[in-house]
Amino acid sequence: AQSVTQPDIHITVSEGASLELRCNYSYGATPYLFWYVQSPGQGLQLLLKYFSGDTLVQGIKGFEAEFKRSQSSFNLRKPSVHWSDAAEYFCAVSSTGRRALTFGSGTRLQVQP
Amino acid sequence: NAGVTQTPKFQVLKTGQSMTLQCAQDMNHEYMSWYRQDPGMGLRLIHYSVGAGITDQGEVPNGYNVSRSTTEDFPLRLLSAAPSQTSVYFCASSPTQGRGETQYFGPGTRLLVL
Repeated sequence: AQSVTQPDIHITVSEGASLELRCNYSYGATPYLFWYVQSPGQGLQLLLKYFSGDTLVQGIKGFEAEFKRSQSSFNLRKPSVHWSDAAEYFCAVSSTGRRALTFGSGTRLQVQP
Repeated sequence: NAGVTQTPKFQVLKTGQSMTLQCAQDMNHEYMSWYRQDPGMGLRLIHYSVGAGITDQGEVPNGYNVSRSTTEDFPLRLLSAAPSQTSVYFCASSPTQGRGETQYFGPGTRLLVL
């Protein structure tokens, strides 16, 4: 069965600093990988997704993620964090059987001024 | 388009009560699903539907029923609420059931069972 691990429960960065959120997946075949963001009191919004092609994927709001098959990772990055990026970030993998998403437990990002 | 809408936004129930969480989408999406979100556990799939009249169980279906009589609506029913069902519930939809499809999420319903 597929699974997703986000090892960092909570991360604090200063505004303007770079950001990397870690995601490791376990999946037997070619994974379909996603990053979603949840602002406080809101639903989830797609940041970016990967399922083939270039392993560096660009998303909205200046985010990017790199797929590394050898490390089973799909880490999310942003060169310069803005205060509005404070939110919870979820990595997810798409299953073949139920056509649904398996989510990691999430990483809460706090941005210091 | 309103996207995916959910009602109510917040609900308090007593143990044993029943209720229906409403979900509607106006994007003519084929695929709809329900997730629950609990602290430290991410989102877990409860039930899903690949089209009107077709539903199936997800990872945590016990205590919940669903039906899909129209493309637009996918209500989630709690027959006899339990404190373990205290959670935030999200409905999502996508154009098809394809693996690479983007899921569009509603704003969520926060449920407290006393």
